[in-house]
Amino acid sequence: DIQMTQSPSSLSASVGDRVTITCRASQGISNYLAWYQQKPGKVPKLLIYAASTLQSGVPSRFSGTGSGTDFTLTISSLQPEDVATYYCQKYNTAPLTFGGGTKVEIK
Amino acid sequence: EVQLVESGGGLVQPGRSLRLSCTASGFTFGDYPMSWVRQAPGKGLEWVGFIRGKTYGGTTEYAASVKGRFTISRDDSKSIAYLQMNSLKIEDTALYYCTRDLVMVVPPTPHDSWGQGTLVTVSS
Repeated sequence: DIQMTQSPSSLSASVGDRVTITCRASQGISNYLAWYQQKPGKVPKLLIYAASTLQSGVPSRFSGTGSGTDFTLTISSLQPEDVATYYCQKYNTAPLTFGGGTKVEIK
Repeated sequence: EVQLVESGGGLVQPGRSLRLSCTASGFTFGDYPMSWVRQAPGKGLEWVGFIRGKTYGGTTEYAASVKGRFTISRDDSKSIAYLQMNSLKIEDTALYYCTRDLVMVVPPTPHDSWGQGTLVTVSS
């Protein structure tokens, strides 16, 4: 099965900083990659699918890039409400594996 | 408004069975694939399995960790998805989320709506 590896596992940044999270697939998955945000104590929320398509209602400071094996989620200007754990997930075929998550905190 | 409400969780002994339900509203249930995702306490997300909508025959796929023990089914007339869990193990302890999945290409697809989850605790 394809493994999904996220880095870093956690990060701390200042409000207004540009934040980048990476996700690597152990084999190519084309652009079948989604990103989710889970705020503390809350339900996960779909941010991006097809590697770069913003889900309706998601702020434009979030963006996604990549194809094949390497993907990135970027927050262009970190806001206090972005404190959360972010997960990537591949969905080209089952199993729909999640990455281990990246916890984002405010410095 | 899309609503997904899970029920059926609780405390169960290892080796026993439990059936979770996910009652949906606010959308045409039969048109959508539905998934189950779980999260062990303090851990990350783990995909459990999904069931395709009627367009794709309502077929299912499962994670290796639950295959042969868990079964997903759906009753489109009642807008309910089920997760039948047999031969439960301690490591199945988790918050179980029901999700609605995007309709855009042949499933599987990402999860665009999530329920609040139901807690399953497997312990003797």
